[in-house]
Amino acid sequence: KNQVEQSPQSLIILEGKNCTLQCNYTVSPFSNLRWYKQDTGRGPVSLTIMTFSENTKSNGRYTATLDADTKQSSLHITASQLSDSASYICVVGTEYGNKLVFGAGTILRVKS
Amino acid sequence: EAQVTQNPRYLITVTGKKLTVTCSQNMNHEYMSWYRQDPGLGLRQIYYSMNVEVTDKGDVPEGYKVSRKEKRNFPLILESPSPNQTSLYFCASSLRRGSLNEQFFGPGTRLTVL
Repeated sequence: KNQVEQSPQSLIILEGKNCTLQCNYTVSPFSNLRWYKQDTGRGPVSLTIMTFSENTKSNGRYTATLDADTKQSSLHITASQLSDSASYICVVGTEYGNKLVFGAGTILRVKS
Repeated sequence: EAQVTQNPRYLITVTGKKLTVTCSQNMNHEYMSWYRQDPGLGLRQIYYSMNVEVTDKGDVPEGYKVSRKEKRNFPLILESPSPNQTSLYFCASSLRRGSLNEQFFGPGTRLTVL
């Protein structure tokens, strides 16, 4: 069964600290993995996308990694800011039927 | 500004009263989709459309209808809403179908069915 599991479910960190969010998937056949940021009351916005041959991708203070062998991805946030408070969603795309499988998200709260 | 708009943003209704949630995009995208988001679950696809007059069921289509008469609009219709359709709904669009194509999401519609 195609599944995407994210951990932790929620996380609270102090402003300026780093954090890492995890995503494990069992989606097959794998095509790509995308991380979205969803602010409260808004729709998700894409942060990064990685295909099978890419193992890291950065977008400012956000760095995503992909290990296609272990079917794991992480999103590392450096020097967190209050505006990083959001839900972060991992989405895996398949080649078969162009399907997307969404994780439930990790809720991050950055406090001052 | 390139965007996906949805209306209304918030809606409270009663069981059985037909409603429509509108979705419009100004990016000339071929592919449009509706999702629902429930606590503890990932986004689940309700219906999608690959182009005008071409629609198909997603993972959770029961109780919903859609239409795609124009490229920019993709309304979601609940003919007889029930309480289990209380959820947060998102419309999304992308240039074409395909998981590599970035989907752009609307701001969401929070629906409560009493």
